[in-house]
Amino acid sequence: GNSVTQMEGPVTLSEEAFLTINCTYTATGYPSLFWYVQYPGEGLQLLLKATKADDKGSNKGFEATYRKETTSFHLEKGSVQVSDSAVYFCALNQGGSEKLVFGKGMKLTVNP
Amino acid sequence: GAVVSQHPSWVICKSGTSVKIECRSLDFQATTMFWYRQFPKQSLMLMATSNEGSKATYEQGVEKDKFLINHASLTLSTLTVTSAHPEDSSFYICSARNSAGDSYGYTFGSGTRLTVV
Repeated sequence: GNSVTQMEGPVTLSEEAFLTINCTYTATGYPSLFWYVQYPGEGLQLLLKATKADDKGSNKGFEATYRKETTSFHLEKGSVQVSDSAVYFCALNQGGSEKLVFGKGMKLTVNP
Repeated sequence: GAVVSQHPSWVICKSGTSVKIECRSLDFQATTMFWYRQFPKQSLMLMATSNEGSKATYEQGVEKDKFLINHASLTLSTLTVTSAHPEDSSFYICSARNSAGDSYGYTFGSGTRLTVV
């Protein structure tokens, strides 16, 4: 079945540090890939998405590229801020299904 | 933008009682809503998919008689945890799909922390 594996945290970084959160997936065909973010006390919000191979999703300084050859969708940000402290979820949606399959989530804390 | 309101945000109940959690789409119609359960340090586990006006579709291993889902209108879905036990304590999150939006219009509620004592 479809699955998402993402690096486990928690991770603590200093402000302006570089961030990478690894995400790999297992799926048949060509799933759509997502990163969701959950700020403290809030629901999940879509951060970025990519719907086909080599697509790059970007938002708020975050980027992730859909790599079919490595079945990966790693999230990166060049310079994190304290306000980026949150839990980040990688997810996929298999074409023809309404279901989202999530990774376990990774808690990021950014210190000033 | 699309907003989903989930209520209550937290609830403590006694073992054996029932608890109802509401999920409302505030500014859009949601033909499909999803209910997830999240354990500490674990992923969101899809419990069921509810469609307005029809029975919910439960994932394998989820007790439909224990987790009652009702999606009576295009803006409201409810999850009732019946005869709650301490092992039902968890974080429950709903998500609504915008029936008029694009294929990826999933909006999430802020979750409900259920503690059964």
